[in-house]
Amino acid sequence: QKEVEQNSGPLSVPEGAIASLNCTYSDRGSQSFFWYRQYSGKSPELIMFIYSNGDKEDGRFTAQLNKASQYVSLLIRDSQPSDSATYLCAVNMRRGGSNYKLTFGKGTLLTVNP
Amino acid sequence: GAVVSQHPSRVICKSGTSVKIECRSLDFQATTMFWYRQFPKQSLMLMATSNEGSKATYEQGVEKDKFLINHASLTLSTLTVTSAHPEDSSFYICSARDPTSGRWEQYFGPGTRLTVT
Repeated sequence: QKEVEQNSGPLSVPEGAIASLNCTYSDRGSQSFFWYRQYSGKSPELIMFIYSNGDKEDGRFTAQLNKASQYVSLLIRDSQPSDSATYLCAVNMRRGGSNYKLTFGKGTLLTVNP
Repeated sequence: GAVVSQHPSRVICKSGTSVKIECRSLDFQATTMFWYRQFPKQSLMLMATSNEGSKATYEQGVEKDKFLINHASLTLSTLTVTSAHPEDSSFYICSARDPTSGRWEQYFGPGTRLTVT
């Protein structure tokens, strides 16, 4: 099983719709979870982080975490063409002791159509 | 969020030469920085963890003699690609976390695109 799995997409939604991005992870002991947005040719930009079970909202973005199911998701409400990018799920995974490694999924390409 | 800069943003070099990339934390002191590499249409792969005042920790399969890392101060880490070859052409990105925040978020620099001819 891959450490962090995402649907590679592409995911296409119309402008104004809700985009739903999903991610599963293998390490049950993981405690911190991140969503990064990466535009083509650019470096990743942190848009959300979540550490506790449940929902966390920030503007049009909502991150959802279910540790029992080892599942984290990102909802983007009122999607805009400028949201078109690759979304990377990242999980801080234990490496032994107090060492962790930020492990990335392969990313989901989102296209928002005007 | 924390601000991380990288220089240069783009570099083209000839095969066999060395290239140095700088990564700076601008508004915080980073005891630890991270170096990633990203090939086209692939995700980020951690190359090494850079620790201020001590040796870097390299991931399995990354040659430490080829990718030299120096974390000389709390705001600067450098990655030197020695004897570069065309297969080293990639997007190199550094990141850092603010240890005083008590949180785990990593903030990325803008990246350096290396092309070896």
